[in-house]
This record gives sequence, C-alpha cells and structure tokens, in this order.
Amino acid sequence: DGGITQSPKYLFRKEGQNVTLSCEQNLNHDAMYWYRQDPGQGLRLIYYSQIVNDFQKGDIAEGYSVSREKKESFPLTVTSAQKNPTAFYLCASSLGTGGRETQYFGPGTRLLVL
Amino acid sequence: AQRVTQPEKLLSVFKGAPVELKCNYSYSGSPELFWYVQYSRQRLQLLLRHISRESIKGFTADLNKGETSFHLKKPFAQEEDSAMYYCALNPHASGGSYIPTFGRGTSLIVHP
Repeated sequence: DGGITQSPKYLFRKEGQNVTLSCEQNLNHDAMYWYRQDPGQGLRLIYYSQIVNDFQKGDIAEGYSVSREKKESFPLTVTSAQKNPTAFYLCASSLGTGGRETQYFGPGTRLLVL
Repeated sequence: AQRVTQPEKLLSVFKGAPVELKCNYSYSGSPELFWYVQYSRQRLQLLLRHISRESIKGFTADLNKGETSFHLKKPFAQEEDSAMYYCALNPHASGGSYIPTFGRGTSLIVHP
C-alpha cells in the first residue's frame, strides 16, 4: 500500500478539545484534500490544497482548519467549534488539479467524541 | 455549481445477474467522470475513468452527455463485487482551481 498514510486510525476527542489528524504522502503530488464521510452522505469536501502554502475551503470547512507547510503533509485540525465531529475522515492526493486527475486516498481516521 | 446524484443507496442482486449502478450529473461544462470503489476494510480507490474507455473487473461505464449520465454496468455480478461505489465529477479548471464532487454512494451487495 503506502503512498498516502493517515494517523491515527482511531481518535477520541473530549468536549472542547482540538484534535489534529495527520496525512502524509510520498507520491510527489501537488494537490491534497480532506473529506468527511458519513453514512448516507457520501464524501463531503472539507479543505483542499493545490500547492504548498495554499489551501481553499471546501463545502463544510466550518469548525476545521488545515495547514500545508510541506508538500508531503496536510494535517487537519478539528476544533472545538465543530459541534458534530464524529465521522470517518479521508485524506486524498492527486498529481495536479486538472480535471482528469485521479485522486488517491488514505486509509482514513475515525474520530469519536467521548 | 456541479452536482452528482446516485439515486440508489443500496442495490442487492444475486451472483450472475446483471448490475447497473446509476449516476447522473449536473454541470454546465464538459465534465471528467470517475467511479471509485471501497471494498470492506480497504481504502477508497479508483475503479475507472470515462476518459480511459476501459473495462475494469468486468465493469464499464459510458458517458451519455444527452442524458447527463455515467452509469456503471457489469453483465454478470460476482460476490467479490460487493462494495460501496461512488461516482465523482471533476470540473475542468477555471481560473486555476476546481472542486471535485462525489455522489452519496451506492452499496452493492451480491448474494451467492
């Protein structure tokens, strides 16, 4: 497998706590994405980054923050402002941002609220 | 704004039966369409792209611009095809940025 990794596999958050999900890729891809996957909702885009030091909000960015200081890394922070954080989070990357680019996905992180 | 609709949450068939997973899209330009698959305890991965016009694991999908559809088909379903399938649309870049859109997914169950 390899290529794009996410950690941890499971993460528990207490009320009022910020937590950070890790996403790393060694595919030399420029673009990276964070999705939230809920049953019956499909994949919803939280944030995406087309290049280092740049990122854009997706459809459901409220309560989340990201950074892209290195090409290989795109961590996602779930802040205390996110009132319903329990979900499966998927990170993805693609070589570029043209319309024909395939996305490669990580194994996911399941976030649970205590 | 673009939209991808997968009308069936669940599709249940018997082994050897034909299967068709529906995908309709709404987009003003010329889209790039994909099918991704997520098998149990595996990561989401590309199944096929419309631009490739290929058959993967016996699955094919034809882009019908008139009906704005990209249905996924297989003539004879196998038990190992049981998975969650997502249709996705990539718009062509405009102004240097784009946002991919996924459908809500269809769970395919193939019974022995």
